[in-house]
This record gives sequence, structure tokens and C-alpha cells, in this order.
Amino acid sequence: NAGVTQTPKFRVLKTGQSMTLLCAQDMNHEYMYWYRQDPGMGLRLIHYSVGEGTTAKGEVPDGYNVSRLKKQNFLLGLESAAPSQTSVYFCASSRGGTSGTETQYFGPGTRLLVL
Amino acid sequence: KQEVTQIPAALSVPEGENLVLNCSFTDSAIYNLQWFRQDPGKGLTSLLLIQSSQREQTSGRLNASLDKSSGRSTLYIAASQPGDSATYLCAVRPVAAGNKLTFGGGTRVLVKP
Repeated sequence: NAGVTQTPKFRVLKTGQSMTLLCAQDMNHEYMYWYRQDPGMGLRLIHYSVGEGTTAKGEVPDGYNVSRLKKQNFLLGLESAAPSQTSVYFCASSRGGTSGTETQYFGPGTRLLVL
Repeated sequence: KQEVTQIPAALSVPEGENLVLNCSFTDSAIYNLQWFRQDPGKGLTSLLLIQSSQREQTSGRLNASLDKSSGRSTLYIAASQPGDSATYLCAVRPVAAGNKLTFGGGTRVLVKP
């Protein structure tokens, strides 16, 4: 049981290049999330998904696209990277529901540097 | 819009001292509040989750309280150890936001031997 995994762990891009970050979870969770973390700002939600084939915008979606073709995978794409997208990206998953006991499980993060 | 604030941003204490970390939030309509730990270069690990109907949760040396009416939570770590050095993040799950979390900026803790 690997939990939530992210690929790659670290990447350097030049401005204008594109890349895709892959998140995979083996807990059969319905909900998946992409966050970015910048110094002193906590985590901010980029996009999320409430189930296979669905995606929705979070707090900071501009410059990113996502896809959830399979329940266990959630992809984050940068079509034309900008230096402002230098950050640490975290993926998370959760069961979903309204009981108040649900928690999100986080991957180890991807460090992205855009030059 | 829900906002979560953690003050101070950084804290340094000698080993053995009790740690007190604060979290405040603006909207009391929440499903739960969670405290996470983040080690450098790592992901987040959930420490404690307090449901909106609860006042506190305890796990070993950790105790977290929740006062929804005042919009505050406190994480207490008793008899701190150097291994407690990490960043601690508070997050609330607002009722209006479904399953999404709103995070505070975190408190970076250093426990000196």
C-alpha cells in the first residue's frame, strides 16, 4: 500500500516549456487535489476532482490544467511554464463525505524550478 | 471567504519545554480542523483531527483544542524533543467548501538540544 505517490520528485524547466506532473493513489479515493506551496503561504488549492472524469478549479487555477481519466490518477499540466510557477506541488486524496472524520492523504511533493 | 492564520510563523524553544501553537480561523461553520506536520522536503502527515462537535483531541504528547465560537485552535506538545522540529500546519474544512481544506501559513518549530 503506497498511499499517494508523485512523479517526478524534482524538475527544472525553462520558461515556456511544458510538463505534466503525475499523481497516483491506491486507496480507491474518490477525491483528489493538487496544491502548490510557496514560502510562508501554506498550501493553496490549484484544481481538484470529485471522481473519475471530473475536474474543478480551486483557488489558483490559472496556468494549469488537469485530467482524471482513471480513478487512481490525477495529472497536473503546465502548458507554458512561467517563473511564477516555481513552487512545491503536492497531490492529495480523500474519501470524501460529510461526517467530519475525513482527512486528506498527501504525496511527498514535486519541486519545480522554472528558469 | 474562510481565512486561517497561524502566529508566530517561527518558534524556537529549548528541549523539554512545552510547545504551544496557535491557529485562528474566520468562519466557524466547519466540518473539522486538522493539524499536520511537515518535515523539510517531505509531504504532510496528519497529527490530529478535531470534528466540529468536539472540543479536543489527544495523541500521546499532543493535545489539540478547538473553540469554534472564538475561531481558535491550539496545539500543545508536551516536553518537546529535537525530533519535534518541523513545520506545523493548521487546516479547516469549511462547510461551504465541500471536501476542500483551507490552510494556514504554518509555524516552523525548532527544538534546540
